[in-house]
Parts: sequence; structure tokens; C-alpha cells
Amino acid sequence: GAVVSQHPSWVICKSGTSVKIECRSLDFQATTMFWYRQFPKQSLMLMATSNEGSKATYEQGVEKDKFLINHASLTLSTLTVTSAHPEDSSFYICSARDGQGGNSPLHFGNGTRLTVT
Amino acid sequence: AQRVTQPEKLLSVFKGAPVELKCNYSYSGSPELFWYVQYSRQRLQLLLRHISRESIKGFTADLNKGETSFHLKKPFAQEEDSAMYYCASRSYNQGGKLIFGQGTELSVKP
Repeated sequence: GAVVSQHPSWVICKSGTSVKIECRSLDFQATTMFWYRQFPKQSLMLMATSNEGSKATYEQGVEKDKFLINHASLTLSTLTVTSAHPEDSSFYICSARDGQGGNSPLHFGNGTRLTVT
Repeated sequence: AQRVTQPEKLLSVFKGAPVELKCNYSYSGSPELFWYVQYSRQRLQLLLRHISRESIKGFTADLNKGETSFHLKKPFAQEEDSAMYYCASRSYNQGGKLIFGQGTELSVKP
């Protein structure tokens, strides 16, 4: 079945540094990917919609200059947390849409646990 | 705006007991409803979608448009059902983005 790979699975970084998280669709092309943030035992909050070849669409309240999204190819989207702070520590999950239509299947990555010290 | 509400944060039942995880949605159009499950240390997995009208692992969910609900049910809970369950809705005219409820932790005791 369709697989979405996220890398790294976990990362620890110091305050003020930037961290890049990759989301790859391994056996299908994804023109649209979604980035979520999840706190322990809480919901997945949609951060942004990543569209291949164009700018990402951010949800209300998400700082686009802090969470940079690049979707340069049909199989790769990256989320860069810039100048990370401890409050950015969270679980980040991507999902990729397998198809063009709004009702196409969504496949989720395994998530990346970010800890900012 | 799309909104999904799961009123129970934690649901604890004994093995063999019936389970109902509640989900209500608000949306002016006709959203597609899903249930996702997340077992400990595993990725989110699709459990059910309302248009499929199927039963997975003994779970069923019926879309009730009058009550705007999509409750998840299982007649006899098993210990391996213990997990986080998320109800989600998707609207085609909003780019197909999936909006999640708060999640309900199901704990099935032996």
C-alpha cells in the first residue's frame, strides 16, 4: 500500500537553531501534503496545506515565517522550524494525498518528535 | 467552519462490554466523515469512512445527518482495542483538508 516516510523520527535541538523535517511519498505522487502538530494525547492540529510548486496555505494562527514549508517535488515536502524554542517541542505529522481530487485517500507519516532544549 | 467534537477524553470499559465513542460535526455542506485509530507508538491509521459503510475490527459508525453525529460503536470491546481514536471530517471544497476532533482514549480493562 501507499507509504509516507517522515525523517527524522525524532530530533533534539537547542533553542535558536532550525530543524528541517522531511515528508516523502514513497510509491505515489502527492501534489498536496498536509502538516499537523500533535501534543500528547491531544488532537492533531492542522498547520498548513503544502502544494507542489506553489506557496503553502497556512491555518489561522500559524506563523508562516516560523514554520517554513517547501514542496519542491511531487514526492517531497519539508517543514523547517526556524529559531526553535522549547514551546515548539511537539509531535509533527505529515499526510500526503494520493490523487488530485479533494476526496482522494490520505496517507500519514510516522511523525517526528521534536524536543527543543 | 468545519468543526469536529469528541466530548469524551477518556473512555474506560471492561473487556466484552459495548463501546460507543461519540463524535459530532458541524459543517454547512456535506462533509466526509472518518474514524482514525492510533495505537501506542504507531502511526495514525484509517479505521472507517462513512461512505464505505463497512465494519472494521468489529467497529461500525453510522452517519446521522439529523443529529450531525458519527458515533463509533463496537458491541464487545477487546483489550487490543485500547488506543486513541480520532473522528475527522473532510470537505471537498476546502482542498480536502482533514480536520480532527480532540480524540478519545479508549482503555479496555481485562
